[in-house]
Amino acid sequence: DIQMTQSPSSLSASVGDTVTITCQASQDISNYLNWFQQKPGKAPKLLIYDASNLQPGVPSRFSGSGSGTDFTFTINSLQPEDFATYYCQQYDHLPALTFGGGTKVEIK
Amino acid sequence: QVQLVESGGGVVQPGRSLRLSCAASGFTFSNNGMHWVRQAPGKGLEWVAVIWYDGGQKYYADSVKGRFTISRDNSNNMLYLQMNSLRDEDTAVYYCARIYGTRPDYWGQGTLVTVSS
Repeated sequence: DIQMTQSPSSLSASVGDTVTITCQASQDISNYLNWFQQKPGKAPKLLIYDASNLQPGVPSRFSGSGSGTDFTFTINSLQPEDFATYYCQQYDHLPALTFGGGTKVEIK
Repeated sequence: QVQLVESGGGVVQPGRSLRLSCAASGFTFSNNGMHWVRQAPGKGLEWVAVIWYDGGQKYYADSVKGRFTISRDNSNNMLYLQMNSLRDEDTAVYYCARIYGTRPDYWGQGTLVTVSS
């Protein structure tokens, strides 16, 4: 099974900061990676698909990059509504989905 | 607009059964595969099961294989998860999610299942 290692597990940042989260796959998954945002008590929301494509309606301060085994998710100019938990998710080995452990972005 | 509404959660004793439902609207349900994903309290996301758009293929996580059954009723825009032989570790919020291409793009608000004696 493919394992997804996401880091850090949590971070503290201030409004206006740039935040970077990484996700490493245990084997090559090409660009078959999505990123989600989840706020407390809410469903996950798709932000980035196919490693670097912005889901329609998602602000452009969110971006993703990478391929193979190493992926990066970036939030430029962090906004108050961006404090949440973020998950990567691979789909190279469909039909199953595998999620990273999550990164909680907290207010400094 | 796409809407997914889960229902059927509740408190159930270990070993008992429960059926979750997911009502879909705002899109042509019969065109899309669907996932069930769960989240234990304070934990991350865990994929549970997937069903093809026509119900022709179904796949399960090892943790639920043989106990859970995913199904759908395309004439009524409904997705189901029949959960049998429930265990304490099945306690979670269960989400249904639409598959668009290869990505789960819309999710319901979730329904909480608590397995406890």
